[in-house]
Amino acid sequence: QVQLVQSGAEVKKPGASVKVSCEASGYTFSRNAINWVRQAPGQRLEWLGWINTGKGNIKYSQKFQGRVTITRDASANTVYMELSSLRSEDTAVYYCARDFNDYGFDYWGQGTLLTVSS
Amino acid sequence: DTVLTQSALSLPVTPGEPASISCRSTQSLLYTNGYNYLNWYLQKPGQSPQLLIYLGSNRASGVPDRFSGSGSGTDFTLEITRVEAEDVGVYYCMQALQTPYTFGQGTKLEIK
Repeated sequence: QVQLVQSGAEVKKPGASVKVSCEASGYTFSRNAINWVRQAPGQRLEWLGWINTGKGNIKYSQKFQGRVTITRDASANTVYMELSSLRSEDTAVYYCARDFNDYGFDYWGQGTLLTVSS
Repeated sequence: DTVLTQSALSLPVTPGEPASISCRSTQSLLYTNGYNYLNWYLQKPGQSPQLLIYLGSNRASGVPDRFSGSGSGTDFTLEITRVEAEDVGVYYCMQALQTPYTFGQGTKLEIK
């Protein structure tokens, strides 16, 4: 069965960076893009970007351009999302989600809580 | 960016009764292939979102047939024919037509 397993919760100080991983299993890794979405307290879900796990091309939300970096390690069936210059407003649960034939997202990871606090 | 607005933030429903949630988009989600790139998700308490409906009206695998989606262009509706206790949670619409993909603000379905 398809599974996306994310790394554990993180606590960071303002200005620091964080790198969250998402390990995929149960399907052919290169066939489906992986997206990153976050959910801040009281806010709607927000898309950060995606990576084509086969070709490696990437698309970022303009809002996060310059601060977010999405990479993949095909040998480990893992996608990474790094967010830099953290601020308190980045406190959120970060999800990876599998792309479903360009229709949207069908499977989601369990979420990684990032807390940014001094 | 495309903004999605859901009709209500909260929706109290009696078990066995129907429920309906609307989602309005600031831009048409109808693509040239005839499909509407609008999805519905349910986020149950303490869980990740789960796909209910894709391309406006297609039920995802394993989703009960009491859930249905309709609409086209800028106006969409999610309907539940008979609400069950397990349906509680927050319902989100999401557009997948163009990046940045965007979501509605969510509608919390509660049991009366």
